[in-house]
Amino acid sequence: SYELTQPPSVSVSPGQTASITCSGDKLGDKYACWYQQKPGQSPVVVIFQDSKRPSGIPERFSGSNSGNTATLTISGTQAMDEADYYCQAWGSSTAVVFGGGTKLTVL
Amino acid sequence: EVQLVESGGGLVQPGRSLRLSCAASGFTFDDYVMHWVRQAPGKGLEWVSGISWNSGSIGYADSVKGRFTISRDNAKNSLNLQMNSLRAEDTALYYCAKGGTTWGDSSGLDYWGQGTLVTVSS
Repeated sequence: SYELTQPPSVSVSPGQTASITCSGDKLGDKYACWYQQKPGQSPVVVIFQDSKRPSGIPERFSGSNSGNTATLTISGTQAMDEADYYCQAWGSSTAVVFGGGTKLTVL
Repeated sequence: EVQLVESGGGLVQPGRSLRLSCAASGFTFDDYVMHWVRQAPGKGLEWVSGISWNSGSIGYADSVKGRFTISRDNAKNSLNLQMNSLRAEDTALYYCAKGGTTWGDSSGLDYWGQGTLVTVSS
């Protein structure tokens, strides 16, 4: 079955750029989405179709996808961005796959 | 306003069954793919199952295949998950989530409910 791999944790200083990667076999041939989940809350999609932002998501969130890696980039990271982030793709024609999640710490 | 409200969770013994439901409102339900996603305590998201607008396309995670059955009632704007032969590892918060208009599309899961907790324990 298809797998997506994320680093368990990423740390960033306020105002700096955070990058979270998601790796999968030929992931660049698929579309990737990214979700933000804060403690006690339901996930929120922050990037879909590799690089598109839903309405209401700040411009500091951006995404890219090429080769075997999709990347979520948060520019000018703020304390409110501290959360768990999950990548997601369709692993096959019948199954959705999530990455294991990355805990972003802003310190 | 899009709303997804899950119900049916609870404490159940291993090997027993449970049926989850999700009441949808605020959008044209029968235009969209719908999904169930679960999250075990302290763990990450795991996709469980999805169903296309007309139930013509259905998928399951390997971990639940053969035990869980997804269905929808477009007349009632309702999504269901029949869970049989439950195991301790099925213990999780189960989310209902709205997908795109096409099975396999790239729009992501753009609305999520608050979840219903399923605990499998003797």
